Order: sequence, then structure tokens, then C-alpha cells
Amino acid sequence: SAVISQKPSRDICQRGTSLTIQCQVDSQVTMMFWYRQQPGQSLTLIATANQGSEATYESGFVIDKFPISRPNLTFSTLTVSNMSPEDSSIYLCSVGLAGTHFFFGEGSWLTVV
Amino acid sequence: RKEVEQDPGPFNVPEGATVAFNCTYSNSASQSFFWYRQDCRKEPKLLMSVYSSGNEDGRFTAQLNRASQYISLLIRDSKLSDSATYLCVVNSRTGNQFYFGTGTSLTVIP
Repeated sequence: SAVISQKPSRDICQRGTSLTIQCQVDSQVTMMFWYRQQPGQSLTLIATANQGSEATYESGFVIDKFPISRPNLTFSTLTVSNMSPEDSSIYLCSVGLAGTHFFFGEGSWLTVV
Repeated sequence: RKEVEQDPGPFNVPEGATVAFNCTYSNSASQSFFWYRQDCRKEPKLLMSVYSSGNEDGRFTAQLNRASQYISLLIRDSKLSDSATYLCVVNSRTGNQFYFGTGTSLTVIP
């Protein structure tokens, strides 16, 4: 299994500002995933963060808005830039271990006012 | 067409009832299938993996139908604590990405 720590767990931010979410895993993993879950919706993959290369973004998500860092095999950050109320969401970090399923961090609950 | 489609419900059932959820997937090459449970204001957690032969864990039974491209979850003798959203998850064509259904909301009523 994997233990994933995310912070902040929740935050209330002013529109126009940026927030960086950190994700720490207790084991080395090749791929880390960032998801967004808007109120009442399912999870949507934002991007896949690979160590040593640029993140791979899904359709509808761009690096300028959601820059990602992956400095090593146990850590990643996601920044939500120039926030608007539409960015209010839960942001979840996830890892998938080879031959097994996905584990999620507890999520970062973001409210933009 | 969405990669994974799920009936969002809500399903409201009395305690002790049996309830079944289905989930269809579009990619016939998918190899990995899971059911996750998400409680209100919590992250999703694995409930069961779904194997070709079907698998059972206590009151929960998961089945895979490759011909019709759907997976199912059966909950017997529902408990109040089963109230949650159940998400089906299917891997992508490449196997490196997983797609989530929209989730099925279940409320078990006393």
C-alpha cells in the first residue's frame, strides 16, 4: 500500500491568487496523478506527473493554469494559478503501484471567494 | 462517448435490501477494473478489484462481463454504513491511465 499526505487539507483563497498543493508519498513511485473533483461531480484527471520530465496534461488543462513540479520519486506539487470561483474544488493526488490499484491522498479542499 | 458510464442514482434502499450497480466501459482493451467507495467529503478508497471470474467479499460481489463491456457491484443485506458514493474505475487503452465513472449515490434508510 501507499500512504499519501497532502497539504493544505483545505484553504479559502481570494480570486486572482495562486495556491500550491503538496503531495508526499511514503514510497518511490514513477507516476503521480492529480485529479480534480468539483462539487457533485466525479474525478477528472488534470495531469500525470512523471519524475524527470514535463507533466502530461489532459484536454482542457494547461500548464500555465496548473503548473506541476515533480522533483523526486516521492513528492509533487500542483499550483492552481490566478484562481477564480470556478476553481473551487477538491484536488486529489493519487499514485498507482505496479500490479495494484490507486491510492489517494485525503484531498485539498479549495474554496475561491 | 465517455470512457466509463455509470447510473448516478440516487439509490435509496431500506436496510437489509439487496442493491446492484452497473457500469459500462467503452474500451474493449481495458484490463483493470475496480470499485471505489467515496464517503461524503472524503477521498475515494478501494472497495474491490473486479476479476474476470468474479469475486466476492462478504456482502459485496463484483462481476465483469467482457462481452457486454460492463462491471457490476452487488451489495446484499445493506447496512446504514453502506451509504456512500460508489465509483467504477477502468484503465485506459495504454494501461497508464484510469477513468472514473461519475459515481452512484447510495443511501440506506433505517
